[in-house]
Amino acid sequence: DSGVTQTPKHLITATGQRVTLRCSPRSGDLSVYWYQQSLDQGLQFLIQYYNGEERAKGNILERFSAQQFPDLHSELNLSSLELGDSALYFCASSVEGTGGNSPLHFGNGTRLTVT
Amino acid sequence: TQLLEQSPQFLSIQEGENLTVYCNSSSVFSSLQWYRQEPGEGPVLLVTVVTGGEVKKLKRLTFQFGDARKDSSLHITAAQPGDTGLYLCAGVTTGGSYIPTFGRGTSLIVHP
Repeated sequence: DSGVTQTPKHLITATGQRVTLRCSPRSGDLSVYWYQQSLDQGLQFLIQYYNGEERAKGNILERFSAQQFPDLHSELNLSSLELGDSALYFCASSVEGTGGNSPLHFGNGTRLTVT
Repeated sequence: TQLLEQSPQFLSIQEGENLTVYCNSSSVFSSLQWYRQEPGEGPVLLVTVVTGGEVKKLKRLTFQFGDARKDSSLHITAAQPGDTGLYLCAGVTTGGSYIPTFGRGTSLIVHP
């Protein structure tokens, strides 16, 4: 058990809809990362927050947004969903804001299916 | 174009065989991590290497970081069915954003 909790585990929704994915980081970790995993693209970095502030942005679409709350949990909001957004969404946490030497602890992901 | 290329993409072997998987790039990394991911779960860190030429062992797994810090390999001795999973390498480039960039992984199946 990594200590990182993601909810929900599965999500099925229709095109055009909006969903919110939730992540509680490991106790003591200040940094939260969101990744998208699909068969054709692999694990792609979306965005990182550190202690409530956005720290780094990756290949995140404008339709997607995230935030980290004072209690350090994070939410990833996906809107105007398209079929191609179907993927596994992972949250990871680490102690430090610089992930290079600080290991990432991953949750078990949310599987999003857009129909 | 992927920053990190992993090979082979798929590997299916019998229990007891040895195998090596590779992680290559044209970029220099300040650190490189190996993760294993099992179906329905998130990746789990196996090892971090930071020094060129570094070799780390984790039971039957041997990890090597290239001298130039551009590539890495993972060797498994006497593979067991419990080694089945997706092996991912993730690198942090020098002077970059410190965000680990992942390769697409090697999917390993070890048959009993």
